Amino acid sequence: DQQVKQNSPSLSVQEGRISILNCDYTNSMFDYFLWYKKYPAEGPTFLISISSIKDKNEDGRFTVFLNKSAKHLSLHIVPSQPGDSAVYFCAGIYYGGSQGNLIFGKGTKLSVKP
Amino acid sequence: DTGVSQDPRHKITKRGQNVTFRCDPISEHNRLYWYRQTLGQGPEFLTYFQNEAQLEKSRLLSDRFSAERPKGSFSTLEIQRTEQGDSAMYLCASSFLGQGNSPLHFGNGTRLTVT
Repeated sequence: DQQVKQNSPSLSVQEGRISILNCDYTNSMFDYFLWYKKYPAEGPTFLISISSIKDKNEDGRFTVFLNKSAKHLSLHIVPSQPGDSAVYFCAGIYYGGSQGNLIFGKGTKLSVKP
Repeated sequence: DTGVSQDPRHKITKRGQNVTFRCDPISEHNRLYWYRQTLGQGPEFLTYFQNEAQLEKSRLLSDRFSAERPKGSFSTLEIQRTEQGDSAMYLCASSFLGQGNSPLHFGNGTRLTVT
């Protein structure tokens, strides 16, 4: 059972345009959703998060939107830069009980072309 | 750099051998996690510790895998009798769970190749 789904394996965007990465989830118990960026041969790096009680969080060029009724979130990057080219992972976390681990999607590879 | 540190970065071993990886978390973090990532997949949860207590283990963690965090600081992950299917990137992460929860911070991983 895949609790977090990223249905687009790859996305190609022109420099300066908007990148929109999408994520769907099935577990209604998630307290937070997080986006991580991963370059080759490095570990994932935390990018931005959103609480399940919010619908938007913004940090510089990065904005995450949460639609709880649709169980969908998206990451917007505006404007996109070549250095944004990486694999982006969406993840959900549930702090209740003895759990507390991140559940990741499979990732979307973003390529920003100059 | 006071981030999460993992050692070694790469490990090549023959099938049937035992391997051990080490993780040094961010010092003020009380939670430590182990994940495994294979090609084309997101990181998959293996186990986590709060201080020295191992609180949860994934069904991915077979009997050949054991993790320890004896003093609530660094952690080791041992794989006994390695199999080719164990080839993967093993990622360690740490976080602080308390009045303010921090996101997981990952190390750069140990890439294991079993030949």
